[in-house]
Amino acid sequence: QSALTQPPSVSGSPGQSVTISCTGTSSDVGNYNRVSWYQQPPGTAPKLMIYEVSNRPSGVPNRFSGSKSANTASLTISGLQAEDEADYYCSSYTNSNTWVFGTGTRVTVL
Amino acid sequence: QVQLVQSGAEVKKPGSSVRVSCKASGVSFSNYAIHWVRQAPGQGLEWMGAIIPIFGTTSYAQKFQGRVTMTADEFTTSAYMELSSLRSEDTAVYYCARAAERGSYLFSFDSWGQGALVTVSS
Repeated sequence: QSALTQPPSVSGSPGQSVTISCTGTSSDVGNYNRVSWYQQPPGTAPKLMIYEVSNRPSGVPNRFSGSKSANTASLTISGLQAEDEADYYCSSYTNSNTWVFGTGTRVTVL
Repeated sequence: QVQLVQSGAEVKKPGSSVRVSCKASGVSFSNYAIHWVRQAPGQGLEWMGAIIPIFGTTSYAQKFQGRVTMTADEFTTSAYMELSSLRSEDTAVYYCARAAERGSYLFSFDSWGQGALVTVSS
């Protein structure tokens, strides 16, 4: 199972919006609404930010939103803030009853 | 909210095995899948597999089939991941994570342990 493809890095100024793509195949992202997004600041454990494509767990700011079209999922951070600077990973359930992570994207707040 | 507390850092020789533990407290343990995810230094997250304690069923990534064993003890609310035939490429932080809902591997991971660094070096 190959890792899902994410851009290595995205950046934006405070207040701007950034979008991270996550491209898989018809065996994972394209076949299930089981796409999650995790935030990982340096040296810490990942934190769930979005589940089932577009749902936010309690406590996650509403400036984080998710969507999906065909084999590509996306995470958008609107109104970027300094504390959003971190690595972000997508993840998808697969046809093999397994999970696969994306390659990861570093978000930099300029 | 569940808390997952993992065992400490380990240094292992190539060819040996390592066992990492993950103790859950706070809420129900047996009905929720426990996943194991690793992260090599400076690299991304890699899903290794999962176990649902109440069923004793496991699902492993193909890459680790034959080399990983995941178990769970309902009495001590602990999960374990054992990786054998260690090589230097297995040097990583190993995380356990609990599924957000019970009974299936389908759900995302809403609680994470603090991670356990395993270093493989001669």
